[in-house]
Amino acid sequence: QSALTQPASVSGSPGQSITISCTGTGSDVGGYNFVSWYQQHPGKAPNLMIYDVSSRPSGVSNRFSGSKSGNTASLTISGLQAEDEADYYCSSYTASNSYVFGTGTKVTVL
Amino acid sequence: QITLKESGPTLVKPTQTLTLTCTFSGFSLSTSGVGVGWIRQPPGKALEWLALIYWDDGKLYSPSLKSRLSITKDTSKNQVVLTMTNIDPVDTATYYCAHRKSTSLSFAYWGQGTLVTVSS
Repeated sequence: QSALTQPASVSGSPGQSITISCTGTGSDVGGYNFVSWYQQHPGKAPNLMIYDVSSRPSGVSNRFSGSKSGNTASLTISGLQAEDEADYYCSSYTASNSYVFGTGTKVTVL
Repeated sequence: QITLKESGPTLVKPTQTLTLTCTFSGFSLSTSGVGVGWIRQPPGKALEWLALIYWDDGKLYSPSLKSRLSITKDTSKNQVVLTMTNIDPVDTATYYCAHRKSTSLSFAYWGQGTLVTVSS
């Protein structure tokens, strides 16, 4: 099972919107609406930001939104803030009855 | 309040077997739909999913590591144990356990992680 493909880095200025892509195959991202996104600050455990493609857990800012088209899922952060600077990982359930994570994206707030 | 905590050795020699324990509170692993998974992260690298055990003792494993992994649960102790055989330096990583919601296939709560170094 190959890791989902994410851009290594994405940057934006405070207040701007950025989008992180997550590309898989029809056996994972494209085949199931079970894509999740996790935020990870340095030295910390990951934190769930989006689940089931576009649902937000309680307590997560509505500046975070998720979507999917075909084999590619996306995470959009609007109104970028300094505290959003972190690594972001997507994840999907797969046809092999397993999970796969993405390669990770470092978000930098300029 | 759901909490999880990983425990186990910090240093393991190559070829040995690694045993990690996840001790949790705030939920029961006998509740329908609930699961506990293990995920690892080598230093400076991406997350990698390893295994998951369900409330009904169903088990899922990473296809690439399946032959080396075993996951079990002790519901009475609120613990999940992961064993990995034939450890190699490439297995050096922070190992996390996480709670899988009954209503979603995502990991909503994570432990703090435990760093395991494989070296002779």
